[in-house]
Amino acid sequence: QQKVQQSPESLIVPEGGMASLNCTSSDRNVDYFWWYRQHSGKSPKMLMSIFSNGEKEEGRFTVHLNKASLHTSLHIRDSQPSDSALYLCAASWQGGRALIFGTGTTVSVSP
Amino acid sequence: EAAVTQSPRSKVAVTGGKVTLSCHQTNNHDYMYWYRQDTGHGLRLIHYSYVADSTEKGDIPDGYKASRPSQENFSLILELASLSQTAVYFCASNARSGNTLYFGEGSRLIVV
Repeated sequence: QQKVQQSPESLIVPEGGMASLNCTSSDRNVDYFWWYRQHSGKSPKMLMSIFSNGEKEEGRFTVHLNKASLHTSLHIRDSQPSDSALYLCAASWQGGRALIFGTGTTVSVSP
Repeated sequence: EAAVTQSPRSKVAVTGGKVTLSCHQTNNHDYMYWYRQDTGHGLRLIHYSYVADSTEKGDIPDGYKASRPSQENFSLILELASLSQTAVYFCASNARSGNTLYFGEGSRLIVV
């Protein structure tokens, strides 16, 4: 069964600091990696996706992908209190049927 | 913005009772999904569908049935609700497998 593992489980970051989250796929045939953000009591919203090796930046958010190691990471610079949320990593596979999610990383930004 | 609406948003059910969670999307998406969220477990896939009148099992289908009577509607049915099915349930849709998922606001189910 395809799995997605995330680390750390939780993270406390000072306001203005950098948060780094990790995600790994169990299956080499991974197609896309996705990062979703879920604020408390709300539904997940797609943040970024990446499918090719390298880096992708959108504002304060940067995603890295190394397909050889089946690893992606999300970095949040200049963290704001509004970034406090559960960050979910998901993966899709070639010929796959649905996104499989990891258990998430809870980020808390302390003022 | 893609629209997925769920009902009810919150429900208390008795053990052994029947529960139906409904989902409606106006995105003209072919794919619809039901995920379950428990603290510490992220989102786990229960059932999904890529065409009306057909459903597929996800990773944790036991104790759940699904129904897709039309492209817009997808229901999750708990025939005999159990305490272990207390969770938040999310419906989602996308245009095809691997595309961005659009989630509903969730249905909080408490089984007592």
